[in-house]
Amino acid sequence: SQKIEQNSEALNIQEGKTATLTCNYTNYSPAYLQWYRQDPGRGPVFLLLIRENEKEKRKERLKVTFDTTLKQSLFHITASQPADSATYLCALGGTDSSYKLIFGSGTRLLVRP
Amino acid sequence: ETGVTQSPTHLIKTRGQQVTLRCSSQSGHNTVSWYQQALGQGPQFIFQYYREEENGRGNFPPRFSGLQFPNYSSELNVNALELDDSALYLCASSARGVRETQYFGPGTRLLVL
Repeated sequence: SQKIEQNSEALNIQEGKTATLTCNYTNYSPAYLQWYRQDPGRGPVFLLLIRENEKEKRKERLKVTFDTTLKQSLFHITASQPADSATYLCALGGTDSSYKLIFGSGTRLLVRP
Repeated sequence: ETGVTQSPTHLIKTRGQQVTLRCSSQSGHNTVSWYQQALGQGPQFIFQYYREEENGRGNFPPRFSGLQFPNYSSELNVNALELDDSALYLCASSARGVRETQYFGPGTRLLVL
């Protein structure tokens, strides 16, 4: 069955450093991959979408890479700030008509001042 | 804020009861998806409604059912509640032509005792 792995351990970094989060998947060939941010008790907030034919996408301090050979996506936050502290979810989407998303369990990021 | 609203915000029910959760999609969006998120896990796709019809369903039993209304708002109904149904229920809407990107509401926290 489809499996998405995100580091279950929290990532703890110093303010100003680059945070790198990993999403690995198996038994799936997604048409696109998305990253969401989720704060405690809130719904996920869409950040970036990258398609299978794209290698890299950037938006302000965020960068996503997508390697369909390695079946891996990396999510980078440069010049991290304490306000970036949250759980980040990776989600895969296919070509079925429902555009349903398959989510990983998320990685919690803590940015120390 | 995404413009997707959900009600109620919190709900406590007992095993065997029935519950109805409501969602108003973002203006201009005609597709609504429902997800269940257990504590510490990523959201799991329940089903999607597009133009008032179910358009894709995840691995959830028939006691999970839904509706979409002409104004694109939606309901999720769960019958014969079980303890494992305790979770955050998320509604996400997406726009015609950009259905990959889903905008989530704040969720309804359901506790089944």
